[in-house]
Amino acid sequence: SQQGEEDPQALSIQEGENATMNCSYKTSINNLQWYRQNSGRGLVHLILIRSNEREKHSGRLRVTLDTSKKSSSLLITASRAADTASYFCATHNNAGNMLTFGGGTRLMVKP
Amino acid sequence: NAGVTQTPKFQVLKTGQSMTLQCAQDMNHEYMSWYRQDPGMGLRLIHYSVGAGITDQGEVPNGYNVSRSTTEDFPLRLLSAAPSQTSVYFCASSYAGPSEAFFGQGTRLTVV
Repeated sequence: SQQGEEDPQALSIQEGENATMNCSYKTSINNLQWYRQNSGRGLVHLILIRSNEREKHSGRLRVTLDTSKKSSSLLITASRAADTASYFCATHNNAGNMLTFGGGTRLMVKP
Repeated sequence: NAGVTQTPKFQVLKTGQSMTLQCAQDMNHEYMSWYRQDPGMGLRLIHYSVGAGITDQGEVPNGYNVSRSTTEDFPLRLLSAAPSQTSVYFCASSYAGPSEAFFGQGTRLTVV
């Protein structure tokens, strides 16, 4: 079973708008990571947030983590057509050495 | 610096055949892993390795074997291919532990 579940499964916005994706998970984590996957390509690591952090920024990306609710969100500000991709959250749990992925959010940014 | 290299990119197998998917990284990463990705789904962990000589099972290990004789290479063997193993396979590596992973471009496998 998958540790993380993303919401929404698909999101379509206009260029310039912000995109928000949410991730929920089930067990205690060491950290939570977000990855991007362009169609037919491998995944690219975007950002990592540790369990003792609440918010992190990287360029146009903002990630929040609420360990009490076991949830995270990824905000992409001022989206561009090049941001069109699938976005996955992944959790590194405390129990071992595994990285577990959610089902992903498919983001389409229309020019 | 090639990163994570997977070969082949595409493969068609007949049911019952065996094959090895190759994965190599040139970043001196200790941690390597194999995932499969099925349509519309996230990635599921097959096997992983925390260093040369050490491997362990992930979420969906049945039907697959791995070995880690060197830091650089982490091949995935399909013992007797089944149609249920039709998928895209990704190899990933990271410096220490499963964080900030670098992914290969994937191998698209079809079992007929």
